[in-house]
Amino acid sequence: EDQVTQSPEALRLQEGESSSLNCSYTVSGLRGLFWYRQDPGKGPEFLFTLYSAGEEKEKERLKATLTKKESFLHITAPKPEDSATYLCAVRSLVDKLIFGTGTRLQVFP
Amino acid sequence: EAQVTQNPRYLITVTGKKLTVTCSQNMNHEYMSWYRQDPGLGLRQIYYSMNVEVTDKGDVPEGYKVSRKEKRNFPLILESPSPNQTSLYFCASSLNLRGAEAFFGQGTRLTVV
Repeated sequence: EDQVTQSPEALRLQEGESSSLNCSYTVSGLRGLFWYRQDPGKGPEFLFTLYSAGEEKEKERLKATLTKKESFLHITAPKPEDSATYLCAVRSLVDKLIFGTGTRLQVFP
Repeated sequence: EAQVTQNPRYLITVTGKKLTVTCSQNMNHEYMSWYRQDPGLGLRQIYYSMNVEVTDKGDVPEGYKVSRKEKRNFPLILESPSPNQTSLYFCASSLNLRGAEAFFGQGTRLTVV
């Protein structure tokens, strides 16, 4: 069964304290892996797409990487405005988009 | 500005009273879908549409209907809402299914009493 698991469920960081969020997946072939940011009560906002193992994408303090079984979202020197829930999703060969339950990140000044 | 627009943003209704949540996208996307988001369960797909007049069930379709008469619009219909349909609903659209990212609306928070 296709599945996406994100860890940790919640993460508290001090401003400037770098860390990584994990997304592990099992799918019947991968068409793409997506990272989203979601603020409370709002729609997910697209961050990155990764298509193949070894691929990396960067945007400001965020960097996403992909292996054959998992993806990491690295946050370098985070700021309080990076506080949000980060969602990982994969699209399988049957074209279904499967979401993880997210990592809730809190960054304190 | 490219966007997915849902209305209403908030809705409180009573059990059994039919309602429609509208969704419109201005990106000429082929693929549209509806999700519900519940604490601890993440985003679950309700229905999706691959193009005009083509719709199919997602993971949790019971109690919902959809239609796709125009490419830009994809309304979600609850013919007889029940309290277990209280949730946060999102509409999303994608250019296609071949790895394209999905763009989400701002959400509709529905409460059924």
